[in-house]
Amino acid sequence: DQQVKQNSPSLSVQEGRISILNCDYTNSMFDYFLWYKKYPAEGPTFLISISSIKDKNEDGRFTVFLNKSAKHLSLHIVPSQPGDSAVYFCAASVGNFNKFYFGSGTKLNVKP
Amino acid sequence: DTEVTQTPKHLVMGMTNKKSLKCEQHMGHRAMYWYKQKAKKPPELMFVYSYEKLSINESVPSRFSPECPNSSLLNLHLHALQPEDSALYLCASSQDMGDTEAFFGQGTRLTVV
Repeated sequence: DQQVKQNSPSLSVQEGRISILNCDYTNSMFDYFLWYKKYPAEGPTFLISISSIKDKNEDGRFTVFLNKSAKHLSLHIVPSQPGDSAVYFCAASVGNFNKFYFGSGTKLNVKP
Repeated sequence: DTEVTQTPKHLVMGMTNKKSLKCEQHMGHRAMYWYKQKAKKPPELMFVYSYEKLSINESVPSRFSPECPNSSLLNLHLHALQPEDSALYLCASSQDMGDTEAFFGQGTRLTVV
């Protein structure tokens, strides 16, 4: 049973608009959440993280929102750029026990 | 240097072969990881090394044998694999096991024939 779920396998957005990628989780013990970006033939690259004590973390064009009551997090990219086209993985971990649970990924396509 | 380097990039092996995957990082990270990723699936954790000691084995079959000869190197020894073991094998490292930011290598695409 997958504890981290990304229900949208793909998303297509026009350049300059906002991309919103969603992630749901089932384990209430998760207290760190991460987003990774993966280009073809490359390993995942860490993008942004959020601790469960926060509900928002922002880094440049990337913002992650956490709704603990809904067990939902989202990644907002604004403005979206063609170079953002990649697969985005949501991941979660419990405390200092550094085991990441990954979602299945959402393939983002930003059209010029 | 913020890279995790994995070799080889591609590997084809028979079911009776013995081969090894290699992973190297020079960031001074003390935690290193092996993940397995099947097509269209998320990465699945296999092993975690912390300070060169095996900390986590996610019930991986013994035909996969990890080794951490020093703080910069992580090997995965393969023996008597099955075709269903064909996958992308990703290595990652982080400062320590309490660090939530991990750096991933590009992976080794393994095909077992």
